[in-house]
Amino acid sequence: DADVTQTPRNRITKTGKRIMLECSQTKGHDRMYWYRQDPGLGLRLIYYSFDVKDINKGEISDGYSVSRQAQAKFSLSLESAIPNQTALYFCATSDLQTGTDTQYFGPGTRLTVL
Amino acid sequence: AQKVTQAQTEISVVEKEDVTLDCVYETRDTTYYLFWYKQPPSGELVFLIRRNSFDEQNEISGRYSWNFQKSTSSFNFTITASQVVDSAVYFCALSEATSGTYKYIFGTGTRLKVLA
Repeated sequence: DADVTQTPRNRITKTGKRIMLECSQTKGHDRMYWYRQDPGLGLRLIYYSFDVKDINKGEISDGYSVSRQAQAKFSLSLESAIPNQTALYFCATSDLQTGTDTQYFGPGTRLTVL
Repeated sequence: AQKVTQAQTEISVVEKEDVTLDCVYETRDTTYYLFWYKQPPSGELVFLIRRNSFDEQNEISGRYSWNFQKSTSSFNFTITASQVVDSAVYFCALSEATSGTYKYIFGTGTRLKVLA
């Protein structure tokens, strides 16, 4: 089984709808991240969480919210989706305790907002 | 400020050729980490390597090798004897340790096409 899973893998929705993307991990890592990938722009950080009680905004948090329900679960919500939120979304995890903080990514969720 | 530049947007090579993907970074920190990730056509991001700023030794892993040069702020990635399966988008990333957050800054990626 994959260490970092994301659901759904693909989603098509309409403008104005509320969408939740979910991420679960079995790696036991304390840190979790949400990124979006757009063609030509690489990956940009939306939100990150260093533990259950810690949530931080990334560089492009407007229009998004997150919830860290447990150490292993980190969900991303689009309260009112708009077309320019069409992108590939990645969840990632890392563990600073190992001293490396290398991030490991989920398989991605392709979101299309019509 | 942090910045990662991958100037090569797309590279095409013929199978068995060697290819080097460039990565230039900017940081004011003395302690930082550099990474390479591979994104094959299936879309997932695969971790390839992590290098810290105090270790300038080059690394080789099979057909992959990495050349870290602090003097030129570069962390280049070479694939020797490329294969079609190497076709992917490759991302370089930088993480600054002294900020305490270890947030990654990604380059925009280089798309490598290996032709049979």
